[in-house]
Amino acid sequence: QSALTQPPSASGSPGQSVTISCTGTSSDVGGYKYVSWYQQHPGKAPKLLIYDVSKRPSGVPDRFSGSKSGNTASLTVSGLQTEDEADYYCNSYAGNNNVVFGGGTKLTVL
Amino acid sequence: EVQLVESGGGLVQPGRSLRLSCAASGFTFDDYAMHWVRQAPGKGLEWVSGISWNGGYIAYADSVKGRFTISRDNAKNSLYLQMNSLRAEDTALYHCAKDLTYYQITGTIDSWGQGALVTVSS
Repeated sequence: QSALTQPPSASGSPGQSVTISCTGTSSDVGGYKYVSWYQQHPGKAPKLLIYDVSKRPSGVPDRFSGSKSGNTASLTVSGLQTEDEADYYCNSYAGNNNVVFGGGTKLTVL
Repeated sequence: EVQLVESGGGLVQPGRSLRLSCAASGFTFDDYAMHWVRQAPGKGLEWVSGISWNGGYIAYADSVKGRFTISRDNAKNSLYLQMNSLRAEDTALYHCAKDLTYYQITGTIDSWGQGALVTVSS
């Protein structure tokens, strides 16, 4: 049960796009469709942004998109806005009813 | 509206026990798997444990296996986490969380409680 690997930080200017990676193994990210992304603002509970690799819950802007290639999933935030500044986490189903999170990425909007 | 309200947190000495509860409302509780996810102060999210809709499937993170026990009472719309042999490194905000998918554990969490703070210290 090793944590998924995310870059500790990412940044971009308003209007730009930024992509955050989430690297696992064939036993988690690469082996299942259950890869999700969450946004967490300070002092708040996390919010589901992307599920099943690339699906968006209702109410999540289409500026947020997800993809996967092999053992690495990615979250792209397009048209960055100041309110996108937050921590972002990925997670994945890891087989045998286990779940694993990434270490988190702090996104700064410059 | 889905509501998940945790209770039972507090300050406890190392080696002692604590039981967290989560009262769920706003959805058909026994249709969904549930999870406990924790966040140590200033740190990231860590999945602790998950339980399927009827308790038939249960899993734990290696860091708590053998010390923590997850359970649910569908008649009371409640989720529990019994924590034994607590360690300083268990200090965290513990979130009750609902799985998006019917019946099975997928780890896709679509609703979170605000959390119960557990502090393990002498």
